[in-house]
Amino acid sequence: AQSVAQPEDQVNVAEGNPLTVKCTYSVSGNPYLFWYVQYPNRGLQFLLKYITGDNLVKGSYGFEAEFNKSQTSFHLKKPSALVSDSALYFCAVRDRGGGSYIPTFGRGTSLIVHP
Amino acid sequence: NAGVTQTPKFRVLKTGQSMTLLCAQDMNHEYMYWYRQDPGMGLRLIHYSVGEGTTAKGEVPDGYNVSRLKKQNFLLGLESAAPSQTSVYFCASSQRGTSGINEQFFGPGTRLTVL
Repeated sequence: AQSVAQPEDQVNVAEGNPLTVKCTYSVSGNPYLFWYVQYPNRGLQFLLKYITGDNLVKGSYGFEAEFNKSQTSFHLKKPSALVSDSALYFCAVRDRGGGSYIPTFGRGTSLIVHP
Repeated sequence: NAGVTQTPKFRVLKTGQSMTLLCAQDMNHEYMYWYRQDPGMGLRLIHYSVGEGTTAKGEVPDGYNVSRLKKQNFLLGLESAAPSQTSVYFCASSQRGTSGINEQFFGPGTRLTVL
């Protein structure tokens, strides 16, 4: 079975400060991990993914995420937040060893960047 | 390319009425999905399809039916709408790829209200 948790419903950060949106996962094997962003009244947009290799993954809009196997985490980070980064962020996981190709999504974290 | 499009964008139904939501993608993707998004619940998978003529149940399939008669289209039907089906519905598609490593592309959503 595969599952993903986003422990924070909301993250508040000041513009220009670094931001972190947390994600932890549970899989029986090794994971494929994804981050998506949803702006108001829009569909989800892909940000980045971890498949294999380098634990630090760089994605769109200056975002990056670090895969930590020992802590089963895949936190999303950005060195300097922008007000325009305010959105809903979803983490998703797919178990490589699972029989389904369907990912499981977290409940989402609302990021609010204050001017 | 238009990507993933959804029709209609908004709809209000009365309890017991039926309707069909249409999803179309022009990326030649094999996989297509229907999700519903409710506050605090994240994304929940309703049905999905791994190819033309095939469909499968997701996490919350009750009260919905789907069809994938053409590769580019994925239809979601509500035979007898209930207030519990008030939600925002998202369609997504992805390439087949290798073992589910490919990210999903989402449509803009359909906001459905059942009175």
